[in-house]
Amino acid sequence: KAGVTQTPRYLIKTRGQQVTLSCSPISGHRSVSWYQQTPGQGLQFLFEYFSETQRNKGNFPGRFSGRQFSNSRSEMNVSTLELGDSALYLCASSLGEAAKNIQYFGAGTRLSVL
Amino acid sequence: GESVGLHLPTLSVQEGDNSIINCAYSNSASDYFIWYKQESGKGPQFIIDIRSNMDKRQGQRVTVLLNKTVKHLSLQIAATQPGDSAVYFCAENISGGSNYKLTFGKGTLLTVNP
Repeated sequence: KAGVTQTPRYLIKTRGQQVTLSCSPISGHRSVSWYQQTPGQGLQFLFEYFSETQRNKGNFPGRFSGRQFSNSRSEMNVSTLELGDSALYLCASSLGEAAKNIQYFGAGTRLSVL
Repeated sequence: GESVGLHLPTLSVQEGDNSIINCAYSNSASDYFIWYKQESGKGPQFIIDIRSNMDKRQGQRVTVLLNKTVKHLSLQIAATQPGDSAVYFCAENISGGSNYKLTFGKGTLLTVNP
């Protein structure tokens, strides 16, 4: 069974631009969560989608948004990029809701904002 | 390789020795705990989990101990191998909460010397 797939693996953007990251969960998994990983803050929860609905959201500004499609694939969007948005963005999928199931992570998308 | 964290606690062991990685969690209401391993350039990989109704759980070469009194979690790796070199994260969660958020610790860098 294929693991969680994130595309692209690397991305370079400039301040003020927007970016869309994609995540394909493990087949059959219905929950997708997104995390931001930085050296200073570590791994921080962004949001979780389950059956196309946002279930929970972390403490990030409204510039960070996401959605989930009927096939459970998810996208994350960051608008008006800031230098501080440079990070590794990780997607994790789980069979059921993330609170009660093991999450499996993708390799991440490394975003650099110049 | 990519750095997933700076100024992390570090643990250096000799190949074949046992490793113990410690984690203090913050929320006394947390009832589900997970250990993840993250190798350079990869996403976190699930190792083992434990629920608060247990104080010990064993897997293949790994054991997790939970001390709820002092809010402490440890991961023991038996006969540590060079392939175990990675950053190890503990994560805590309140599985029954409506505002679910998986909270990760800062991580510990384990280096195994051959």
